Amino acid sequence: GQNIDQPTEMTATEGAIVQINCTYQTSGFNGLFWYQQHAGEAPTFLSYNVLDGLEEKGRFSSFLSRSKGYSYLLLKELQMKDSASYLCAGSGAAGNKLTFGGGTRVLVKP
Amino acid sequence: GAVVSQHPSWVICKSGTSVKIECRSLDFQATTMFWYRQFPKQSLMLMATSNEGSKATYEQGVEKDKFLINHASLTLSTLTVTSAHPEDSSFYICSAESRTEFSNTQYFGPGTRLTVL
Repeated sequence: GQNIDQPTEMTATEGAIVQINCTYQTSGFNGLFWYQQHAGEAPTFLSYNVLDGLEEKGRFSSFLSRSKGYSYLLLKELQMKDSASYLCAGSGAAGNKLTFGGGTRVLVKP
Repeated sequence: GAVVSQHPSWVICKSGTSVKIECRSLDFQATTMFWYRQFPKQSLMLMATSNEGSKATYEQGVEKDKFLINHASLTLSTLTVTSAHPEDSSFYICSAESRTEFSNTQYFGPGTRLTVL
């Protein structure tokens, strides 16, 4: 399986930009997912990267570098409702199981 | 699209009883569904992979006789927690895999909060 590492917590101000980094083991890696999870709720899908580069979806963008085993999720124009945990998850080449990182709790302050 | 429902949303039961949780993909067919457990302030831990028409594949350390999984159709998987005990209290989340030409993406149900007294 993958070892997925991401920071535990981040704090940012409303309207600002925050970048959440995620590193993983490259052996057996297929693609990388980002999910958002609000407290007490199930995760919701944000993005999927399988090729190198930046994928932009409105205020959220996700980047992948396969050679470096590195991804980040960029949140722009932060809103209070963006306060949540952001989960980085890797899928392996051998199957469709996801390995989740511990999640990064983002707190957006006024 | 890609909506997954889960029922019940929460359940409280007595120790020793069994609880069944249903996971349904509402607008797509899912050959594969997954069952996760999440304890407070922790990430999701995969319990098992549920495959339509075949036996589930359990992760190491998960007792298959305690957590019974049935995936009888392409839109429904069930998890039964048998002889539940207080340590089984957790947030149980299912996901259903949507397959396209470009990716296999898991979409999650809203979760079931189980409290065993």
